[in-house]
Amino acid sequence: EAGVTQSPTHLIKTRGQQATLRCSPISGHTSVYWYQQALGLGLQFLLWYDEGEERNRGNFPPRFSGRQFPNYSSELNVNALELEDSALYLCASNWGGPRTEAFFGQGTRLTVV
Amino acid sequence: SQELEQSPQSLIVQEGKNLTINCTSSKTLYGLYWYKQKYGEGLIFLMMLQKGGEEKSHEKITAKLDEKKQQSSLHITASQPSHAGIYLCGAALSSQGNLIFGKGTKLSVKP
Repeated sequence: EAGVTQSPTHLIKTRGQQATLRCSPISGHTSVYWYQQALGLGLQFLLWYDEGEERNRGNFPPRFSGRQFPNYSSELNVNALELEDSALYLCASNWGGPRTEAFFGQGTRLTVV
Repeated sequence: SQELEQSPQSLIVQEGKNLTINCTSSKTLYGLYWYKQKYGEGLIFLMMLQKGGEEKSHEKITAKLDEKKQQSSLHITASQPSHAGIYLCGAALSSQGNLIFGKGTKLSVKP
C-alpha cells in the first residue's frame, strides 16, 4: 500500500513568486494536514482539511492557502513568497481527527531565493 | 508558550544504555503520537496512545500515557546507533482538533 506522497521533492522559487505543493494521502484517508518545519522552529501547524473542507488553520498569513480535492488529495499554495518561507513542508493523512494514526509524507523542501 | 513540552531537548547516550524522553501538556491529550525523524526527512510513525494508563511497545521502544492523559514518556531499552534521530511527540488538545507537536528531542547514540 502506497504511503503519503508529496511532490515536488524540492522546489526553488524567487521571492514574490507563488509555490504550489501537492499531497496524496494514503488510500481511504479523508484528512490531510499541512505543516511547516523551518530550521530551528519545529513543526508548525498550517492547515487541516477533511472531507473537502478546511477544518482548522494555524497562525499563518492568508497568503498560505490550500484546498482538498474530491479524491482527498490536497494542494498547498503559498503566494508572494518571502525568504522566511524557506522550509520543509510536510503533509500527513489519517481517517479524520485525533483518534486514528496519522502518517507523514517525505516532505517538499521549498527554498526561496 | 509551547503547548507540548518535550524534554530533554537533546540526549547523547552510549550504545546499550537505556533512555527516556518525556512529553508534557498543560491540557488533556486526545491521542498522543510519537514519531521519529531523520534530519530533513519525513516523520516515521512509531506509536499512538489514547487511553490514560495505556502502554505500547514496539521492538525496544515503549511508550506510556499517564492516567491523567497529560504526559507521555518514550523509553528505549539497550539503545543502538539505529535509534539516533529526532523524536517528536504530537497530540490533539481537543476531541476535534488537529495535531500539534513538541519541538523534538535529538538523540545521538555513540557506538
